Amino acid sequence: GDSVTQMEGPVTLSEEAFLTINCTYTATGYPSLFWYVQYPGEGLQLLLKATKADDKGSNKGFEATYRKETTSFHLEKGSVQVSDSAVYFCALSDPTGGFKTIFGAGTRLFVKA
Amino acid sequence: EAGVAQSPRYKIIEKRQSVAFWCNPISGHATLYWYQQILGQGPKLLIQFQNNGVVDDSQLPKDRFSAERLKGVDSTLKIQPAKLEDSAVYLCASRIAGGNTGELFFGEGSRLTVL
Repeated sequence: GDSVTQMEGPVTLSEEAFLTINCTYTATGYPSLFWYVQYPGEGLQLLLKATKADDKGSNKGFEATYRKETTSFHLEKGSVQVSDSAVYFCALSDPTGGFKTIFGAGTRLFVKA
Repeated sequence: EAGVAQSPRYKIIEKRQSVAFWCNPISGHATLYWYQQILGQGPKLLIQFQNNGVVDDSQLPKDRFSAERLKGVDSTLKIQPAKLEDSAVYLCASRIAGGNTGELFFGEGSRLTVL
């Protein structure tokens, strides 16, 4: 079945450092891919998405490119801020499966001032 | 636009007791999901509804968990009897009908502690 694997955390960075969180997926169809973020004390919210191969999703300085050849959707940000400290979840949604959405285990990011 | 509403936010019960969680999705969202998020893990899908029909409940422990969405709007998730391992945050999410990306909108969750 479909699955999502993302790098384990926690990831600790200094402010203005470059961030990469790796995510790979397995899917039988052509899923949409997502990054969701969970800030402390808040609910899950969509950060960015990509619906087809080579699409790049972007939001709040974060980017991720849908790479079908490597089945990856790595999250990147050029310069992190303390306010980016959160848990990041990679997810896929399979339209052929009624948009069943599968999440990775999450990666906690700590950004130090 | 109001978001996904869930209640209660917190619940503490003894093992073998029962508990129920309620969710009201965003108006007009036909698809509703219940996820279980154990501390340190990603959300695990329990059940997915399309209007008042079940699309997927393959990971719902049906011997103790039940869920309904009788009128295709709000939904209730019940656990009876609860076990220690049911301690988790129960997340409700909804999706607009006809959307082609599968983006989900989440409530703040209901945190269950089973003692």
